[in-house]
Amino acid sequence: DAKTTQPPSMDCAEGRAANLPCNHSTISGNEYVYWYRQIHSQGPQYIIHGLKNNETNEMASLIITEDRKSSTLILPHATLRDTAVYYCIVSQGSARQLTFGSGTQLTVLP
Amino acid sequence: DVKVTQSSRYLVKRTGEKVFLECVQDMDHENMFWYRQDPGLGLRLIYFSYDVKMKEKGDIPEGYSVSREKKERFSLILESASTNQTSMYLCASSLTGTSLAKNIQYFGAGTRLSVL
Repeated sequence: DAKTTQPPSMDCAEGRAANLPCNHSTISGNEYVYWYRQIHSQGPQYIIHGLKNNETNEMASLIITEDRKSSTLILPHATLRDTAVYYCIVSQGSARQLTFGSGTQLTVLP
Repeated sequence: DVKVTQSSRYLVKRTGEKVFLECVQDMDHENMFWYRQDPGLGLRLIYFSYDVKMKEKGDIPEGYSVSREKKERFSLILESASTNQTSMYLCASSLTGTSLAKNIQYFGAGTRLSVL
């Protein structure tokens, strides 16, 4: 699996958009970008994934650059409950394993 | 919604005890996983199973074994617990990845194990 690089921490004001970046410059053509988050003392939670196109669901939007070497997870209106560690993972869709890095600690401030 | 249930949220055991951590999923997923999570080390894969009675070692299998007798249940066994196995243990499940299934894992709430 390709390696990812994320900033260790970010702050965001409540109600504003949170934009979490991820670099994955060695991603290969059949690898997806997955985002998970882990709220303190809970298990990780799947958020969204994408291959080439931008994706949106009820939780977030995922923007993938045209060269696929980086992506951004967008939480459009962050709330205090969005405070968590966010993990960007690159993996083949057919792979069974996911490798979690250290992620980004997002703190949403009142 | 997919539900992955771990039998205990908190567990305290003594060194040398045999410890069983149980995990059940209700979505007929083929794949099940056991991770441990430690500060500064992230999530590390211990074992996974892609079918009943099948298992494969992950990155850190030493000191652990697993059992999968039924599709919905995956057990992690510490044959003789040691203090360095004090950790958060997380179970996950997923469908077998196809070109469309995209390898999404669903996690339980975790079991915080303390070995004294």
